[in-house]
Amino acid sequence: AQSVAQPEDQVNVAEGNPLTVKCTYSVSGNPYLFWYVQYPNRGLQFLLKYITGDNLVKGSYGFEAEFNKSQTSFHLKKPSALVSDSALYFCAVTPRRDNFNKFYFGSGTKLNVKP
Amino acid sequence: ETGVTQTPRHLVMGMTNKKSLKCEQHLGHNAMYWYKQSAKKPLELMFVYSLEERVENNSVPSRFSPECPNSSHLFLHLHTLQPEDSALYLCASSPNENKNIQYFGAGTRLSVL
Repeated sequence: AQSVAQPEDQVNVAEGNPLTVKCTYSVSGNPYLFWYVQYPNRGLQFLLKYITGDNLVKGSYGFEAEFNKSQTSFHLKKPSALVSDSALYFCAVTPRRDNFNKFYFGSGTKLNVKP
Repeated sequence: ETGVTQTPRHLVMGMTNKKSLKCEQHLGHNAMYWYKQSAKKPLELMFVYSLEERVENNSVPSRFSPECPNSSHLFLHLHTLQPEDSALYLCASSPNENKNIQYFGAGTRLSVL
């Protein structure tokens, strides 16, 4: 079965420190990989995606993610966290073979950045 | 604003009621989606419409009935729901081509009493 795992319900980090939000997946083939962020009372917003090429992908708001094929992981990172980064983060994958965007999402990780 | 608008934002209904959720996008996208978001669970894909045709129905109970009258509008008709159906229902749209990101509405928070 296709699945996406975000092993941490919550990540706490101090402002200015680096952050990592973990994601691993079990999806056949070489899927496309995405990160979305959800602020309170808002829908999900796209952060970044990996299609092919360089394993380190840069996205919005200073976030980046590293694709590791052997570990089937796509961890989200940021060198220096801001309080405004506090939100719910979702990892998502979509198989390449699909003719439309059928996404498999993780359960989300709540990021708390403390001043 | 993402360009995807959902109404109402909040809905409380009894188990015998009939209600509808509405989603509207004017982004020129031709694929639209309904998701169910429950706390600490993966987003559940419910339905996918591509060019106004339903292309995916993820074993959703028949008390949820989608409708896509045109490429800009998507409805989710609700009847005889159960308390466990209480959740945030998200609508999304995307261009039909693969690899494309999805644009989400803010959701409808549904409470079934």
